[in-house]
Amino acid sequence: RKEVEQDPGPFNVPEGATVAFNCTYSNSASQSFFWYRQDCRKEPKLLMSVYSSGNEDGRFTAQLNRASQYISLLIRDSKLSDSATYLCVVNLLSGGSYIPTFGRGTSLIVHP
Amino acid sequence: DAGVIQSPRHEVTEMGQEVTLRCKPISGHDYLFWYRQTMMRGLELLIYFNNNVPIDDSGMPEDRFSAKMPNASFSTLKIQPSEPRDSAVYFCASSLRWTLPSYEQYFGPGTRLTVT
Repeated sequence: RKEVEQDPGPFNVPEGATVAFNCTYSNSASQSFFWYRQDCRKEPKLLMSVYSSGNEDGRFTAQLNRASQYISLLIRDSKLSDSATYLCVVNLLSGGSYIPTFGRGTSLIVHP
Repeated sequence: DAGVIQSPRHEVTEMGQEVTLRCKPISGHDYLFWYRQTMMRGLELLIYFNNNVPIDDSGMPEDRFSAKMPNASFSTLKIQPSEPRDSAVYFCASSLRWTLPSYEQYFGPGTRLTVT
């Protein structure tokens, strides 16, 4: 079982829709959490960190549920430009160092 | 700043040949990561360095893969001999520090490797 799992999608939504992605992780020693965005044939770029209390950045809201070991990303008022793959990242404590572990990504397609 | 620089951007080679991928991290960043991305396995961490010293190489698939960081501004990932299953996009990333809360990684554009 992969340590970080995501629904690969694709999520196909119209402009203006609200869409949510979940990501589950298996290691309870995980310390920090992030969402990255990757456009087709491009490198991943940090979208936002995920804090225990939840955090918001414009149309994007990230939440962490440590008890159930998942993080979520909510996108409101979807734009065509939001079409991309969204990767969740969990830093797992292993052997005294933090190992960044990526999920395989969730594909989002926003259509007119 | 130019960001993380990787070369070559594309590499096509024949099975059995040696392949060397290069990376220049962002100046001042103490951490450097090498990843491999495939459709089947997603983005996998191969190895990472702190101040030029390898910290974790548990993701390096086998002895055919080796990585070095001779100085703060240069790293190489070498595959010898290469095999078709090594075909993937290889990303290098750097980070200013690796402690809470600053874990942001900046990725290079990647090297698309095809082994025939």
